[in-house]
Amino acid sequence: GIQVEQSPPDLILQEGANSTLRCNFSDSVNNLQWFHQNPWGQLINLFYIPSGTKQNGRLSATTVATERYSLLYISSSQTTDSGVYFCAVEENNTDKLIFGTGTRLQVFP
Amino acid sequence: DVKVTQSSRYLVKRTGEKVFLECVQDMDHENMFWYRQDPGLGLRLIYFSYDVKMKEKGDIPEGYSVSREKKERFSLILESASTNQTSMYLCASSTGRLSNNGYTFGSGTRLTVV
Repeated sequence: GIQVEQSPPDLILQEGANSTLRCNFSDSVNNLQWFHQNPWGQLINLFYIPSGTKQNGRLSATTVATERYSLLYISSSQTTDSGVYFCAVEENNTDKLIFGTGTRLQVFP
Repeated sequence: DVKVTQSSRYLVKRTGEKVFLECVQDMDHENMFWYRQDPGLGLRLIYFSYDVKMKEKGDIPEGYSVSREKKERFSLILESASTNQTSMYLCASSTGRLSNNGYTFGSGTRLTVV
């Protein structure tokens, strides 16, 4: 099946810093999503981005489908950005999402 | 907003017990999913369902079963709980085709089997 790899596994930032999270996937995909899991466990969908670039406030994402990777940018990070960021891709038009192992982000004041 | 509700936030069960985890969504979504989350392993799909009374195995179905008698409810069943099933369980729902709304997750059930 399709493999999803995320890097880095852990990231520690001071408030105000910028960061880039990467997601590589092993096969062509129709759909890719980024999620944020807050420290209480709730997963929130950030972006649905099978290709191209999207922005939402301080967050933006870019997917280059032909090269099988996606990037999540966080600018001017805040302590509320802490948590785990997951990338997930759809497997073969099945509506099933396959998740990466996540990037754990800690932002300190 | 779509809401996915999981019946318990924390649950402690004994080895060998039959355990039911309930999930209800309120937006008439066709698809529902059960994942488990373990440190370093991300989310792994246990079972999913595209419609009432339909179920499909995910990547790690062993030791689990599911029930979907009504469109809004998807139950995960641990037939005989074991300590290696201690985990965070997450339910999700989605429309028939992935869209800009993507998946919606419940807040999770942290199950401990002792």
